[in-house]
Amino acid sequence: NAGVMQNPRHLVRRRGQEARLRCSPMKGHSHVYWYRQLPEEGLKFMVYLQKENIIDESGMPKERFSAEFPKEGPSILRIQQVVRGDSAAYFCASSLQGQPQHFGDGTRLSIL
Amino acid sequence: DQQVKQNSPSLSVQEGRISILNCDYTNSMFDYFLWYKKYPAEGPTFLISISSIKDKNEDGRFTVFLNKSAKHLSLHIVPSQPGDSAVYFCAASALLGNQFYFGTGTSLTVIP
Repeated sequence: NAGVMQNPRHLVRRRGQEARLRCSPMKGHSHVYWYRQLPEEGLKFMVYLQKENIIDESGMPKERFSAEFPKEGPSILRIQQVVRGDSAAYFCASSLQGQPQHFGDGTRLSIL
Repeated sequence: DQQVKQNSPSLSVQEGRISILNCDYTNSMFDYFLWYKKYPAEGPTFLISISSIKDKNEDGRFTVFLNKSAKHLSLHIVPSQPGDSAVYFCAASALLGNQFYFGTGTSLTVIP
């Protein structure tokens, strides 16, 4: 079942370290989205990418967060110098243009 | 600014009865609406969608109703089953837009 694959499922980092979250979209999907879910909240859009291009990053914090979707390989969400408030579940989704998004099972990031 | 709202954080329903989950939106440009179901420790799973040219879409036990004038949509599950117990998110977008806006979710419990 070649669904959206996210890894790692759980990631623990100390304050000040870097976190890298990976997402491999469904086969044939060229649209990738990243969402963050804080405890007791809904899914918050972060960024929308197509191959090698950031299309919409209006939901990304201005500092420390970056995302890429290279020509080869998975999409990466990178968080530099993590802080406690970055603890959340990060979900990746992929889709075809105008079609429903298919989600991965998320990466749960915990900051010590 | 929450453009998609699910005002009921939780709902309990007896097995076999109807479950009605509600969702309101504020942006009149939204013309594509989706419902997702989420189990703990998993990513959201697409359930059903509706575009603004329709006011009803049905798929088995699941029916979505759209009231554009009220900017309101609802998901009906009939009959409800214990396996339907999950968190349900509604989402909205403009068909030509990149972002999907999610509500905060409603936790449905179906009591056997």
